[in-house]
Amino acid sequence: QQQVKQSPQSLIVQKGGISIINCAYENTAFDYFPWYQQFPGKGPALLIAIRPDVSEKKEGRFTISFNKSAKQFSLHIMDSQPGDSATYFCAAGISGTYKYIFGTGTRLKVLA
Amino acid sequence: DAGVTQSPTHLIKTRGQQVTLRCSPKSGHDTVSWYQQALGQGPQFIFQYYEEEERQRGNFPDRFSGHQYPNYSSELNVNALLLGDSALYLCASSSVRGRAQPQHFGDGTRLSIL
Repeated sequence: QQQVKQSPQSLIVQKGGISIINCAYENTAFDYFPWYQQFPGKGPALLIAIRPDVSEKKEGRFTISFNKSAKQFSLHIMDSQPGDSATYFCAAGISGTYKYIFGTGTRLKVLA
Repeated sequence: DAGVTQSPTHLIKTRGQQVTLRCSPKSGHDTVSWYQQALGQGPQFIFQYYEEEERQRGNFPDRFSGHQYPNYSSELNVNALLLGDSALYLCASSSVRGRAQPQHFGDGTRLSIL
C-alpha cells in the first residue's frame, strides 16, 4: 500500500515534443505529490508539486495532472528540450511527515 | 545561500567495515532525512531526524543508525557493511516550522562496498 508505481521506465522524445510520465499510488492518506529531476552525479531537484485539492498545476513547461478518484498523477513536459534529458521521479508523502515514497524513475532522452 | 551539503562525495569500503556519512542541511532547515538510492532505482527512506531525535524510520535494519547535532547537521552510520549497501546515500532537509514541503536534496555520497 506504500508503493508508488511509475511508468514508463524510459522515454525517447523528439525536441519540441511532449513528454508524459505517469504515476499511481494506493495509500489514500498521501496528500502531497512532488516530481523530482535528477541528472547523473547529482541529487534529485524539485520540479513541481501538487496537492489533491487541485486537478492541475502548471509551472512553465511543466504541468502536473492529478486524478484523485483514480489515484493517479502525471507529469507533462511541453516543448521538450535536450537539456530536459534526465531521470524523473514522482513521489508521494503525507503532510507533516516529510517521508516520501518514490517511484522507480523514468529515464527521459530528448533528441535534438 | 548554501544548499544541502554532503561529505564525502565518494567512499570505498570493504565488507564488515563501518562507515559514517555527513550532512549539513540547507540554511533555515531543521529536519534531516536520509535516503538510499540503489543504481537505477528511486530513493528509499531510511530515517529522519528532528530536534536531535529519530522521528521516523523506514524498513532498514538497525545496522543503519544516525545522529543529529544541535546545529541541525546529521550523520548516517552503517555498521557491518554488506555488498548490498553499495548505493548513493542522499540527505534531504526541510523545515517543520514553515510546513515547508518540499524537501531539498544534496548530491549524495556514493558508497561502494568491495
